Amino acid sequence: DAKTTQPTSMDCAEGRAANLPCNHSTISGNEYVYWYRQIHSQGPQYIIHGLKNNETNEMASLIITEDRKSSTLILPHATLRDTAVYYCIVRVPDSSYKLIFGSGTRLLVRP
Amino acid sequence: EPEVTQTPSHQVTQMGQEVILRCVPISNHLYFYWYRQILGQKVEFLVSFYNNEISEKSEIFDDQFSVERPDGSNFTLKIRSTKLEDSAMYFCASSEARGAMDEQYFGPGTRLTVT
Repeated sequence: DAKTTQPTSMDCAEGRAANLPCNHSTISGNEYVYWYRQIHSQGPQYIIHGLKNNETNEMASLIITEDRKSSTLILPHATLRDTAVYYCIVRVPDSSYKLIFGSGTRLLVRP
Repeated sequence: EPEVTQTPSHQVTQMGQEVILRCVPISNHLYFYWYRQILGQKVEFLVSFYNNEISEKSEIFDDQFSVERPDGSNFTLKIRSTKLEDSAMYFCASSEARGAMDEQYFGPGTRLTVT
């Protein structure tokens, strides 16, 4: 699985968009980008995933660069409940079941 | 909205005792997983289970661990003889499918404390 690099921490104001970057410069053609988050001591929560096209769901948008070497998770209107650790995970879903969690980005949403 | 549930929420046991952690995956899901997170550390994969057999396991998942789906709804993790270093949060997860739609949904976890 490709290695990912994320900032250790970020913050944003409540109501504003939170843009969380992830670098995965060694990603291969069949690897997907997944985002999960973990709110303090709870189980990780699936957010979104994509291969090369931008994706949007009710929680977030995922923007993947054309060369696929980086991506950005966008929470359009962050709330205090979005304070969490966000994990960017790159994997080939058909080759392994496991999710490999790194250290993630700790997002603090300020009132 | 369907969710994964886990019991108990907190288990305290003495070193050397056997513990069974229980999970009820989402009802139409076919793939089941256990992860653990030692306090302050990363979430680590333990094992995946499909069609009544282990499909993948990590090096952490040694002979002290076993998993079982004893009926149509429960999925259990057994630790045969607990050690102090087994103290962690244990998360169960399930997914509906494999491949590109294999989003894993996690339960709230069981905090295991080994004394």
